[in-house]
Amino acid sequence: QVTLKESGPVLVKPTETLTLTCTVSGFSLSNARMGVSWIRQPPGKALEWLAHIFSNDEKSYSTSLKSRLTISKDTSKSQVVLTMTNMDPVDTATYYCARIHVTIFGVPNWFDPWGQGTLVTVSS
Amino acid sequence: EIVMTQSPATLSVSPGERATLSCRASQSVSSNLAWYQQKPGQAPRLLIYGASTRATGIPARFSGSGSGTEFTLTISSLQSEDFAVYYCQQYNNWPSTFGQGTKVEIK
Repeated sequence: QVTLKESGPVLVKPTETLTLTCTVSGFSLSNARMGVSWIRQPPGKALEWLAHIFSNDEKSYSTSLKSRLTISKDTSKSQVVLTMTNMDPVDTATYYCARIHVTIFGVPNWFDPWGQGTLVTVSS
Repeated sequence: EIVMTQSPATLSVSPGERATLSCRASQSVSSNLAWYQQKPGQAPRLLIYGASTRATGIPARFSGSGSGTEFTLTISSLQSEDFAVYYCQQYNNWPSTFGQGTKVEIK
């Protein structure tokens, strides 16, 4: 059974750096046909893709947030880490990690499954 | 960046009735479109990928159609567990983008 679980702080202060960890099970981060993405959802709002990382360590970031995001993985620990710098109250959201399906040509597709999500509030 | 527009924002349907949800892309995404269901307090769940292929374990009452810029998710006979918010996602051009969602509520 494939599962993903997010962990990290529930509250961060403005200007601080957020570090979130996604721990996966049921698949390997070295699998060439899979990657892990981070996606967020502000309360009552829509979903926003943030970043993904593939088995070959290829990374991609949201255009608007690229300067603030860093994604990395530790295959031996089955973990993917996302850091977001200079947090602001508008970054208050539920942050999800999800497995991303990758074609044989290395093209990312859909997200399945998703972790349960972790709500991060940015407030002083 | 491709903009995904879903309509209507809210759909009121009686149990057992058919629901038709629309998703429009600002430019062609071929058939590279997925649909997700999200219930309150839960993570999204993949329903459809490739515009029309049901994900594993998804009931046959869910069907997807369309290509290019116009897509439809149809729920043939709504069950109580189907009342939720539905999102479309294009993955033809990255960054991948989601629609704003359609809430299917009980009429």
